[in-house]
Amino acid sequence: TQLLEQSPQFLSIQEGENLTVYCNSSSVFSSLQWYRQEPGEGPVLLVTVVTGGEVKKLKRLTFQFGDARKDSSLHITAAQPGDTGLYLCADDGGGSNYKLTFGKGTLLTVNP
Amino acid sequence: NAGVTQTPKFQVLKTGQSMTLQCAQDMNHEYMSWYRQDPGMGLRLIHYSVGAGITDQGEVPNGYNVSRSTTEDFPLRLLSAAPSQTSVYFCASSYGEVNGNTIYFGEGSWLTVV
Repeated sequence: TQLLEQSPQFLSIQEGENLTVYCNSSSVFSSLQWYRQEPGEGPVLLVTVVTGGEVKKLKRLTFQFGDARKDSSLHITAAQPGDTGLYLCADDGGGSNYKLTFGKGTLLTVNP
Repeated sequence: NAGVTQTPKFQVLKTGQSMTLQCAQDMNHEYMSWYRQDPGMGLRLIHYSVGAGITDQGEVPNGYNVSRSTTEDFPLRLLSAAPSQTSVYFCASSYGEVNGNTIYFGEGSWLTVV
């Protein structure tokens, strides 16, 4: 069974700071998805990375996929209170996104 | 633009009671899944379906039943609720293939078993 480890588990920062959160796997990812979940809501897909070394940007968010496809990072530049939430990574286990394996998440709080 | 709709939003059950969590999607998605989310545990897959009439077990299926009689609906049944089933339940739907397709989650159902 694949294990996804996310770090840090909790992160509290001030508005305007930069941050990076990590997702590491015990085995090679098939493809990796990053989600953000706000309190009282379901996860919302941010990005999917498939190719080793891939970098994707979504406004102030930069996602990197490790060359060996066993790790990924999410970097947020100039964090805003609206970035507050639980950031989850997930592996699709073989190209199908109806059987996801999730990490435990990083709970980010951005203070104004 | 409903997306994935889950009902009820909140439910309190007594140990041994049965109930059904409803999930409906209006996007004609083939694939639907149920996850539970516990503190410190992330989301774990309970059951999934790849089309009407086809279901299969995920990581934590014990104590839950599912069926898929229509493309739109994927109910999750608890036959005899136990305190260990206290959790937040999420239903999700998608077209299945990862590239270019998004998976959509419902807003969750909060279940407490006392």
